Amino acid sequence: KAGVTQTPRYLIKTRGQQVTLSCSPISGHRSVSWYQQTPGQGLQFLFEYFSETQRNKGNFPGRFSGRQFSNSRSEMNVSTLELGDSALYLCASSFYPASEQYFGPGTRLTVT
Amino acid sequence: SQQGEEDPQALSIQEGENATMNCSYKTSINNLQWYRQNSGRGLVHLILIRSNEREKHSGRLRVTLDTSKKSSSLLITASRAADTASYFCATDSRPQTQGGSEKLVFGKGTKLTVNP
Repeated sequence: KAGVTQTPRYLIKTRGQQVTLSCSPISGHRSVSWYQQTPGQGLQFLFEYFSETQRNKGNFPGRFSGRQFSNSRSEMNVSTLELGDSALYLCASSFYPASEQYFGPGTRLTVT
Repeated sequence: SQQGEEDPQALSIQEGENATMNCSYKTSINNLQWYRQNSGRGLVHLILIRSNEREKHSGRLRVTLDTSKKSSSLLITASRAADTASYFCATDSRPQTQGGSEKLVFGKGTKLTVNP
């Protein structure tokens, strides 16, 4: 069974730009969660989707948004990038929300 | 705020020794999970223990859960250099409002170094 895939793996953007990250979950998984990981703040929950509905959202500004498609693939978008958005963005899929999560390798975003 | 807090923040041991990491949390949970992350990569699920379980084993891993103390521990026996990684506990916070849903909240992790 193929694992969780995330594209792109690395990204360099400048302040003010926007970015879209993609996540393909494990086949059969309907729940997709997104996390931001930085050295200072650790792993922080962004949002979670289940069957195309956002079930939960972390404490991030509205510049961070996401969606899930009917095939369970998910995208997250960050608009008006700031230097502090530089981080490893991790996507995880699972059968049900808050159950055992399978993580992708992450997208390393650098904002200059 | 973080639900789970791991202790210690960093741990350095020799190959063959046991490593113990602790996790404390604040609110009631349905289950607690432990994950491992090798440097800069995705997390790997290690073990899930439900709130009605006290101990669980998986290979060289042993996890305990004390819901009265709101704490859990992860023991890695006979450690190997390949166990060098960061270890995170994750708890599912029960919804605080009716109609809300659980979400996984991760601690900041314990960085384990196993020296050959």
